[in-house]
Amino acid sequence: EIVMTQSPATLSVSPGERGTLSCRASQSVSSNLAWYQQKPGQAPRLLIYGASTRATGIPDRFSGSGSGTEFTLTISSLQSEDFAVYYCQQYNNWPVTFGPGTKVDF
Amino acid sequence: QVQLVESGGGVVQPGGSLRLSCEVSGFSFSRYGMHWVRQAPGKGLEWVAFIRYDGSDEYYTDSVKGRFTIARDNSKNTLFLQMNSLRPEDTAVYYCAKVFISIFGVVHYHMDVWGQGTTVTVSS
Repeated sequence: EIVMTQSPATLSVSPGERGTLSCRASQSVSSNLAWYQQKPGQAPRLLIYGASTRATGIPDRFSGSGSGTEFTLTISSLQSEDFAVYYCQQYNNWPVTFGPGTKVDF
Repeated sequence: QVQLVESGGGVVQPGGSLRLSCEVSGFSFSRYGMHWVRQAPGKGLEWVAFIRYDGSDEYYTDSVKGRFTIARDNSKNTLFLQMNSLRPEDTAVYYCAKVFISIFGVVHYHMDVWGQGTTVTVSS
């Protein structure tokens, strides 16, 4: 099983600042990496797939990069609605696996 | 628009059974593989099971193998998760989600669209 790790566990930032979230896979997942955003009481929402492709309707302040084992989600200028938990997920191998999440808060 | 609506959750005693359903609309269900993903209270996301578009193949996380069965009825646009021998650690919100198919016909096995979830509580 591929183990996904995320850092930091909590990212404390202010609105307007840049946020950088990291995700690491225990072995190569090529570019088969997705990022999700989840707000309290809501289902997760797909942000990025293929490591760097924004899903439909996702603002361009969200960008993804990386391949192999190291990935980054960047939020260029944090808005109030971006404060949430972010999960990465690999879908290169079965079982697909999620990281433990990064909470972005004030 | 694409919609996935889960149902069937509830409170059940350890060792009991539940059958979750996920009714979909707004896309050609019979073309898409489907996932179940769960989230225990205050915890992260855990993938549970996957079924191919035609039901020809299934995958499960180790902790549910032999206890849970994923199935689908393409004539009714509905996905199922039969859960037997339930344990307290199965307590979670259960989400169904569809995979993504690119314009080139390539299947990507991430969770493209999610339902709102249904809550399963296993407790005596």
